[in-house]
Amino acid sequence: AQTVTQSQPEMSVQEAETVTLSCTYDTSENNYYLFWYKQPPSRQMILVIRQEAYKQQNATENRFSVNFQKAAKSFSLKISDSQLGDTAMYFCAFMKTSQGAQKLVFGQGTRLTINP
Amino acid sequence: NAGVTQTPKFRILKIGQSMTLQCAQDMNHNYMYWYRQDPGMGLKLIYYSVGAGITDKGEVPNGYNVSRSTTEDFPLRLELAAPSQTSVYFCASRVPNSYEQYFGPGTRLTVT
Repeated sequence: AQTVTQSQPEMSVQEAETVTLSCTYDTSENNYYLFWYKQPPSRQMILVIRQEAYKQQNATENRFSVNFQKAAKSFSLKISDSQLGDTAMYFCAFMKTSQGAQKLVFGQGTRLTINP
Repeated sequence: NAGVTQTPKFRILKIGQSMTLQCAQDMNHNYMYWYRQDPGMGLKLIYYSVGAGITDKGEVPNGYNVSRSTTEDFPLRLELAAPSQTSVYFCASRVPNSYEQYFGPGTRLTVT
């Protein structure tokens, strides 16, 4: 079974700073996706960024980028030029791509607060 | 498209009562999922379905039942509500061979 671990329950930074959220995972699969989801106070789950395990290049979406270390099973999220609207819970998630329902496995989450 | 819709948004149940959480999607997605999110935790999979008439258990299925009679609807049934089922429930859907799951807005359930 796959597991996802986020070791930082809470983080807090000043607006415009850069922040990195950590995530490690455990799997015997070779092909999978990794995701970061954002959950603001509205509770809506919002996909921030995804990474395919077969791609060596780290994914980037505007101010959001990842550092994917497949051998170390590490998948961190970097938020540059942080904004007040980035305040939310952030969840790391794993999905294997082998046949089947391809279920998401989530970490425990990191509560990120951006201070003005 | 309305996307994934869930009703109700909030509900308070007494111990032993039963209820059905409704989930519907209008995107013709084959795959649908039910998750629960306990306070301060990530989402855990309760049940999932790969198409009408096909359902299977996820990580935490005890105390719940599901059915999938149509592609659009995937209701979650609680038969004998217990305080341990106090949680936020999310429904999601996905097309095959696509990585992205589309989530509903969630239902906050309190059992007292």
